[in-house]
Amino acid sequence: DIQMTQSPSSLSASLGDRVTITCRASPGIRSSLNWYQHKPGKAPILLIFGASTLQSGVPTRFSGSGSGTEFTLTISSLQPDDFATYYCQQSYNTPRTFGQGTKVEMK
Amino acid sequence: EVQLVESGGGVIQPGGSLRLSCVASGFTFNNYGMQWVRHAPGKGFEWVSLISGDGGGTYYADSVKGRFTISRDNSKNSLYLQLDSLRADDTALYYCAREGGHLAAFRRYYTMDVWGQGTTVIVSS
Repeated sequence: DIQMTQSPSSLSASLGDRVTITCRASPGIRSSLNWYQHKPGKAPILLIFGASTLQSGVPTRFSGSGSGTEFTLTISSLQPDDFATYYCQQSYNTPRTFGQGTKVEMK
Repeated sequence: EVQLVESGGGVIQPGGSLRLSCVASGFTFNNYGMQWVRHAPGKGFEWVSLISGDGGGTYYADSVKGRFTISRDNSKNSLYLQLDSLRADDTALYYCAREGGHLAAFRRYYTMDVWGQGTTVIVSS
């Protein structure tokens, strides 16, 4: 199975901060990497697919990069609605696997 | 509006069985693969199972293989998950999710692009 490792597991940030989350895949997954946002009691939201393509309707402050084994999700200027947990997920093969999540909290 | 609505969760004793359902609306159901994903308390997401649009292909996580069965009825726009031989570590919120196929840079990428609100399964004696 493909192992997905996210870091950090949590971070504290202020409004307007630039936030970066890293996801590593082992073995490599080319660009088959998705990012999701999850808030308690709500369904997850797809943010980015194919490592770097923004899903329709997602604010442009979100961006993704990387290929192969290392990927990043960046929030360019943190907004109040962005406090949530973020997950990477590989769609290169089955079983689909997720990272363990990164909780973004208010400093 | 594209929507998925799960049902069928509950409290069940270890070794018991449950059948989860997911009803889809707002899109052509048989054009999409569908999957189940679970979220255990205090843990991350775990993909459980995937079924192709025509039902001919099914895939499972090792943790549920041989105990869970995914199926669909395209005439009813419905997805199912039969859970047998339940264990305490199957306790989770179970989501159904559509497998979206998105084109980017001449490649197709598969996602979980629509999710339901989930149905809770608690396995406890």
